[in-house]
Amino acid sequence: GENVEQHPSTLSVQEGDSAVIKCTYSDSASNYFPWYKQELGKGPQLIIDIRSNVGEKKDQRIAVTLNKTAKHFSLHITETQPEDSAVYFCAASIGNDMRFGAGTRLTVKP
Amino acid sequence: KAGVTQTPRYLIKTRGQQVTLSCSPISGHRSVSWYQQTPGQGLQFLFEYFSETQRNKGNFPGRFSGRQFSNSRSEMNVSTLELGDSALYLCASSPPPGWGNTEAFFGQGTRLTVV
Repeated sequence: GENVEQHPSTLSVQEGDSAVIKCTYSDSASNYFPWYKQELGKGPQLIIDIRSNVGEKKDQRIAVTLNKTAKHFSLHITETQPEDSAVYFCAASIGNDMRFGAGTRLTVKP
Repeated sequence: KAGVTQTPRYLIKTRGQQVTLSCSPISGHRSVSWYQQTPGQGLQFLFEYFSETQRNKGNFPGRFSGRQFSNSRSEMNVSTLELGDSALYLCASSPPPGWGNTEAFFGQGTRLTVV
């Protein structure tokens, strides 16, 4: 089955800096790559996603890039703010079979 | 519209007991997936149900089981509880393929503590 690896496991940045989280996947048939943000006491919430026919997608301060050949994708957050502090999960899916990375705990220091 | 609802939110059980968790998906969603979340392991896929049939299964022992009803509501059951089963159990529902995205919408989870 699909295996998703995520790095780093923890990331600390200063407010205003950029943060980058990287994931790799194993199954070349995966065609949907969402990113979720999980705040304390809540379930994961989708923040951005990308499909295999697209190389990059941007939504305000958040962007995701996908390299199908290398089977890796990344989340980029620019101009980080304290409210960006959370655990971020990447995922790769084929249909509704979605597998997650282990998560990255992002801390944005004011 | 209402989101994914999981009940109960918190549960304390004793080793050896069994537990049933419930998940009501978003109206119209027919796919329900269950995940176990622990601090060291992240989100581990348990199983996925679609139209009352288990379509995918993760690498968990047979003590973990689930089912889905005709109204798409799903339950998962854990028998003979072990201390290591203590975790946040998350349910996610997804829209039918014809709706476009395969985005998973998560509930807030059920926090299970085994003592």
